[in-house]
Amino acid sequence: DTAVSQTPKYLVTQMGNDKSIKCEQNLGHDTMYWYKQDSKKFLKIMFSYNNKELIINETVPNRFSPKSPDKAHLNLHINSLELGDSAVYFCASSRGGGETQYFGPGTRLLVL
Amino acid sequence: RKEVEQDPGPFNVPEGATVAFNCTYSNSASQSFFWYRQDCRKEPKLLMSVYSSGNEDGRFTAQLNRASQYISLLIRDSKLSDSATYLCAQGTGGFKTIFGAGTRLFVKA
Repeated sequence: DTAVSQTPKYLVTQMGNDKSIKCEQNLGHDTMYWYKQDSKKFLKIMFSYNNKELIINETVPNRFSPKSPDKAHLNLHINSLELGDSAVYFCASSRGGGETQYFGPGTRLLVL
Repeated sequence: RKEVEQDPGPFNVPEGATVAFNCTYSNSASQSFFWYRQDCRKEPKLLMSVYSSGNEDGRFTAQLNRASQYISLLIRDSKLSDSATYLCAQGTGGFKTIFGAGTRLFVKA
């Protein structure tokens, strides 16, 4: 049973398009995150949510809009995709802030 | 200065060798520290948490040095399967965990 799942696994799209990535966790955790891992493998926090509330927005462009319909889900919508958005996006969850994080398998986004 | 810094490597070691990685952090108020392992094209997975007293799990030993603000990971008797990228992470006490850029390890037969 997958603890943290993401869909889609791969996403290839044209510049200017809008796309969404979905994330679900079945661990009963209160906190969820979105990370971006670029070609240099640097894993950078984008957003963190606790009990469906946005806690951290790490100076991410407004084109990125997270949404948490409930504690088990955290989706990411991206408007007007740019070449520089190409990366692997990881969703993660933890019981609370500062605790062990469990990552989803990642979504590989390629913007052409 | 980056908040969490690691030597990117790569470290190339033979099977059976002992290898150690360090990771320095700048936020002295940090409460929690971790080592994660990331295999190629996979997600990071927790290897071990790092406690003030240090901790050991089989061939892996993690240490925390608050005075010098670094954490370390020691791998004894390296196996081929230990080849991966090792990420250190620092919990800042809120809902933000900062990851280092990772250290690549290659263990060769």
